[in-house]
Amino acid sequence: GDSVTQMEGPVTLSEEAFLTINCTYTATGYPSLFWYVQYPGEGLQLLLKATKADDKGSNKGFEATYRKETTSFHLEKGSVQVSDSAVYFCALLNYGGSQGNLIFGKGTKLSVKP
Amino acid sequence: DTAVSQTPKYLVTQMGNDKSIKCEQNLGHDTMYWYKQDSKKFLKIMFSYNNKELIINETVPNRFSPKSPDKAHLNLHINSLELGDSAVYFCASSQGQGHSPLHFGNGTRLTVT
Repeated sequence: GDSVTQMEGPVTLSEEAFLTINCTYTATGYPSLFWYVQYPGEGLQLLLKATKADDKGSNKGFEATYRKETTSFHLEKGSVQVSDSAVYFCALLNYGGSQGNLIFGKGTKLSVKP
Repeated sequence: DTAVSQTPKYLVTQMGNDKSIKCEQNLGHDTMYWYKQDSKKFLKIMFSYNNKELIINETVPNRFSPKSPDKAHLNLHINSLELGDSAVYFCASSQGQGHSPLHFGNGTRLTVT
């Protein structure tokens, strides 16, 4: 079945460091890919998405490119801030599937130190 | 003007009790969901409701029952609570059943003692 694999955390960085959180997926067909972020004590929020190969999703300085050849959707940010500390979830939704079929990775906790 | 609101935020109860968690969304969405997040942050879909009709029911014990009085509300009732039910439960909503993003509530932390 479809699945999402994320790098295990926690990831601890200093402010202004470069961030990469790896995400790879297994899916039949042509899924849409998402990154959600969960700040402490809150629900998940959509951070960015890409719906087809080679699309780049971006938001708040974060970027991820849908790479079909490597089945990856790695999250990157050039300079992280303390306020970026959160848990990041990679997710997949297969074509024709409903949001209830959204498949999440296990989350990667990011801590940014001043 | 919270988009998806859940109550209570925290719920501590004993094994065997029956409890409910309420969820309301003011986004006009027609699909609502319940997710369970375990202690390792792993998220799993429990239920999905579209226009008051259950459209997904994953392998969830029948002690859990969603109830939707209207399309803006989806409540979760849990009977005979067990220790393993301890988790954070998130309500979410979306417009349609396609690829529109989910909007999550802030979660209800359930602790069963």
